[in-house]
Amino acid sequence: GIQVEQSPPDLILQEGANSTLRCNFSDSVNNLQWFHQNPWGQLINLFYIPSGTKQNGRLSATTVATERYSLLYISSSQTTDSGVYFCAVRRGGGKSTFGDGTTLTVKP
Amino acid sequence: NAGVTQTPKFQVLKTGQSMTLQCAQDMNHEYMSWYRQDPGMGLRLIHYSVGAGITDQGEVPNGYNVSRSTTEDFPLRLLSAAPSQTSVYFCASSYSGQGKVLGYGYTFGSGTRLTVV
Repeated sequence: GIQVEQSPPDLILQEGANSTLRCNFSDSVNNLQWFHQNPWGQLINLFYIPSGTKQNGRLSATTVATERYSLLYISSSQTTDSGVYFCAVRRGGGKSTFGDGTTLTVKP
Repeated sequence: NAGVTQTPKFQVLKTGQSMTLQCAQDMNHEYMSWYRQDPGMGLRLIHYSVGAGITDQGEVPNGYNVSRSTTEDFPLRLLSAAPSQTSVYFCASSYSGQGKVLGYGYTFGSGTRLTVV
């Protein structure tokens, strides 16, 4: 199956700092999403981004499908950004694979 | 529009008991799936379905059964609960993408926290 690697595994930031999270995948995909799991366990869709660049407020994401990676950018981080960020990929209508996540802690 | 509804939110079982975790979606999504998340880990796929009457195994299917008799519902059955099945279970749905423009992503339920003692 497809392998998904996320880096870094842990990230600690001071409020206001910027960060970049990376997701590498081992094969071509046509479905890639970024999720945020907040400290209460709730999973929130951030981006559906199999290719290209999208922005939503302080968050943006870029996927370079030909090079098999995606990046999630968080600018001017806030304490509410803390949690785990997951990348998930899928080919067609088949199995989906999640990375192990990046745990982000934003300190006030 | 309720999205994906999971019940119950919490459950404690004794070893050997059986139970069904319910998942329902009202978005007419073809694709539904069940994941488990163990402490400090990512999500692992248990079973998934690409449409009514079609199910397939994911990464960790042993000890679980599923069925998909309708588009809306995708229940997960634990046949004989074991302590190793203590976990948080998430149901998710999306358009399958087959034959469609892939413009949609997953919607997750709020999770079921299961403890097997």
